[in-house]
Amino acid sequence: DGGITQSPKYLFRKEGQNVTLSCEQNLNHDAMYWYRQDPGQGLRLIYYSQIVNDFQKGDIAEGYSVSREKKESFPLTVTSAQKNPTAFYLCASTDTGVDTEAFFGQGTRLTVV
Amino acid sequence: GESVGLHLPTLSVQEGDNSIINCAYSNSASDYFIWYKQESGKGPQFIIDIRSNMDKRQGQRVTVLLNKTVKHLSLQIAATQPGDSAVYFCAEPYASGGSYIPTFGRGTSLIVHP
Repeated sequence: DGGITQSPKYLFRKEGQNVTLSCEQNLNHDAMYWYRQDPGQGLRLIYYSQIVNDFQKGDIAEGYSVSREKKESFPLTVTSAQKNPTAFYLCASTDTGVDTEAFFGQGTRLTVV
Repeated sequence: GESVGLHLPTLSVQEGDNSIINCAYSNSASDYFIWYKQESGKGPQFIIDIRSNMDKRQGQRVTVLLNKTVKHLSLQIAATQPGDSAVYFCAEPYASGGSYIPTFGRGTSLIVHP
């Protein structure tokens, strides 16, 4: 089955630590995205990548970093510079073109303890 | 009823009623729109899409209406069921440097009472 896999489903981070969220897709999509969702809120774009070895900042990139070394993988690191990291993180991918739907993973819920 | 404010807009309906969820968009040049459904603790899933050369598109129990004059989309769900309880987002691709980035509206929480 093709799809997007995010791991872990739940993640706990101590203050001052960096953590990395995994996102893997086998849909052969060029574009991948990371969104943050806070309770009762919409999806805000953190970073996106349209092609391997290239990525762009979204609306709320501060305190986050990404890499895109392989087409299938787009990990997100939440650094200690992110002051309020507790949220639900969603990874998505799309095919190229304007009329294409986004496929989402099941999300990672990050909690700072 | 529907409430707006700091919290997600919410629509409460009885099972069997029809539901209408609304969405306003700002970019008059947008020519493709998608509705997504997000169940609690899960990622959003595609429901239905519509292109700007259409004003209506129907799926199974769902209909999307597009009014380009007032930049408004609506999602109609017929005979709403408890399994329809979820947050619904409208989305449009945002053009940036030759790419199209899925951009989501605020979302509406649909609560279906048995």
